[in-house]
Order: sequence, then structure tokens, then C-alpha cells
Amino acid sequence: QVTLKESGPGMLQPSKTLSLTCSFSGFSLSTSGMVVSWIRQPSGKSLEWLAAIDWDGDKYYNPSLKSRLTVSKDTSNTQVFLKITSVDIADTATYYCARITTGIFDYWGQGVMVTVSS
Amino acid sequence: DIQMTQSPASLSASLGETVTIECRASEDIYNGLAWYQQKPGKSPQLLIYNANSLHTGVPSRFSGSGSGTQYSLKINSLQSEDVASYFCQQYYNYPFTFGSGTKLEIK
Repeated sequence: QVTLKESGPGMLQPSKTLSLTCSFSGFSLSTSGMVVSWIRQPSGKSLEWLAAIDWDGDKYYNPSLKSRLTVSKDTSNTQVFLKITSVDIADTATYYCARITTGIFDYWGQGVMVTVSS
Repeated sequence: DIQMTQSPASLSASLGETVTIECRASEDIYNGLAWYQQKPGKSPQLLIYNANSLHTGVPSRFSGSGSGTQYSLKINSLQSEDVASYFCQQYYNYPFTFGSGTKLEIK
């Protein structure tokens, strides 16, 4: 079955770079049409789409954060990574990765909480 | 970016009632709309896609409708397990955008 799991540092200081990993199974990112995406959600608030990478290696970013985001995948197509540079308190959130099929987030990971604090 | 305006922000209803949540897009999204349910402490789960298609395993008391810029999610015969937040999302265009959410409680 399809599963995704996020991992990250838990807490980091302002101005640092946040590195997140999404490890998944049950599908291959090398399959045509497959996309893995990152979404975040501050506590008690709505969801914000961040970035996505598709089976062909094409990358898509939210323009509001594009200058700070880098999405990538490993060569075995079982992990996707997200880096966010120059974090500040506003980046405190739960970060999710999800599989996208024709634009629909059909499977989500459990999420990883990230706190930015000095 | 396409803005998604969702209402109401919160909703309280009795068991067995029918509730409706609305979502309005800032431009035509051609049925590129999904609804997600998020229970407290959990990740969102897909309910509806293509505005009116029920995702596998989702109870038939959930239904979606709409077109153009106006969409809605209806929950018939409200059950206690439906207590959750609900979000709409457009996938017609990048960047994907979500509604602000509706928190559903039982009276």
C-alpha cells in the first residue's frame, strides 16, 4: 500500500536552513504521472502548498516562497527532499508530503512538526 | 494565484443533520476541486475530487457539487466521526491553493 513519512530536525534557529525528507513506498516516482509534493500547516491554520517534483524531475514552486525553496529527489526515486533557507518564526508549522495524482493529493504522510526558535 | 474563499469558518450541527460547506474560487477552476477531511492531530484525507467524485472508501453520505467558481460539500446524516476540519483545494492551476477551512462540531 502507499505510505509516506516525513522526517526533519524538530527545532532549528532562525536564519538556518531547514532540511526535510519524505520517504515513501507503494509507488515509484519514476512512473509517468507521479508527483510528490510538500505542504505545510501552522498550528490551527489552513494548508499552504510549497513545492512539487514529478516523475520527470520537473519542479514546481509556490511563487511566494520560491526564492527560499529547493525540492529534489534521490536517484532510487524513493525519497524526496525539501530545503527552506533563511527560516524564521513564520516557518513554524507541521510539514506534510503527499502523493499527487492528476493534481489530487491522494495520499499524505503523518506530518513532521518543525519549530523555529532561538 | 487562484484564491479559495471557504465558508462557514465553523459549524455546529446535531447528529443525523445535513450540513453544507461552500467554497468559491476567484476564477473558473473547471471542476478542478478537491475536498479533504482533517481530524484533530491527523493529516488531511481526500474525500472528493473533480468536484463531485467520491474517493475510494469514503462513505456515500459525503457528496460534492458545483461548477465554475462555486462548489459545495454536503454531509448527510451527520455522524460523530465526522467531527473534523474540512478544506477545499483547487488543482486547476499552479500554485495549488486551499480554502481557509471549516471546523465541524456536534451540538
